[in-house]
Amino acid sequence: DQQVKQNSPSLSVQEGRISILNCDYTNSMFDYFLWYKKYPAEGPTFLISISSIKDKNEDGRFTVFLNKSAKHLSLHIVPSQPGDSAVYFCAASPTTSGTYKYIFGTGTRLKVLA
Amino acid sequence: DAGVTQSPTHLIKTRGQQVTLRCSPKSGHDTVSWYQQALGQGPQFIFQYYEEEERQRGNFPDRFSGHQFPNYSSELNVNALLLGDSALYLCASSLPHNTEAFFGQGTRLTVV
Repeated sequence: DQQVKQNSPSLSVQEGRISILNCDYTNSMFDYFLWYKKYPAEGPTFLISISSIKDKNEDGRFTVFLNKSAKHLSLHIVPSQPGDSAVYFCAASPTTSGTYKYIFGTGTRLKVLA
Repeated sequence: DAGVTQSPTHLIKTRGQQVTLRCSPKSGHDTVSWYQQALGQGPQFIFQYYEEEERQRGNFPDRFSGHQFPNYSSELNVNALLLGDSALYLCASSLPHNTEAFFGQGTRLTVV
């Protein structure tokens, strides 16, 4: 049972345009969400997070939106740059239940075209 | 600051053998988690260690075991290796109640 889903395995965007990566979850106990970026031969790198008490968190070119009623979150990258080309993983955690493990989606490969 | 370091980076083992992977957490971090990432999948939680004890475990068989040392470094042991254990094994460190984890570069295990 895939509790965190990233339904788009890949996405191509022109440099300078907006990249929107989507993630859906099924477990209502999840209250903390993160995005990680992964380059080949490297471990995942933390990008941005959001707590369930917020619906938006912004950090430079990266913004994460959370829609709790729809159990959906999205990562917006504006403007997209070629260096953003990587695999992006959405992760969720039910922190208030006293657990800190992350449940990851299967990832979306973003390609930013110059 | 040397982030999370893992060794070795690559490993080839024969089915039925045993393997030990090592992880040194980021400076100041005392909580270590291990994840398995199969090809084309997201990382899957194996277990987490805090204060030298297994604090939480994912859906992995007892062939997967671990240890945390007083300096917070950790080992992941896998016994009776199966072909399906071939994967990238990731170590992540964090503070005990901090939800942001930092990952190492991983150990690529191939079982033949």
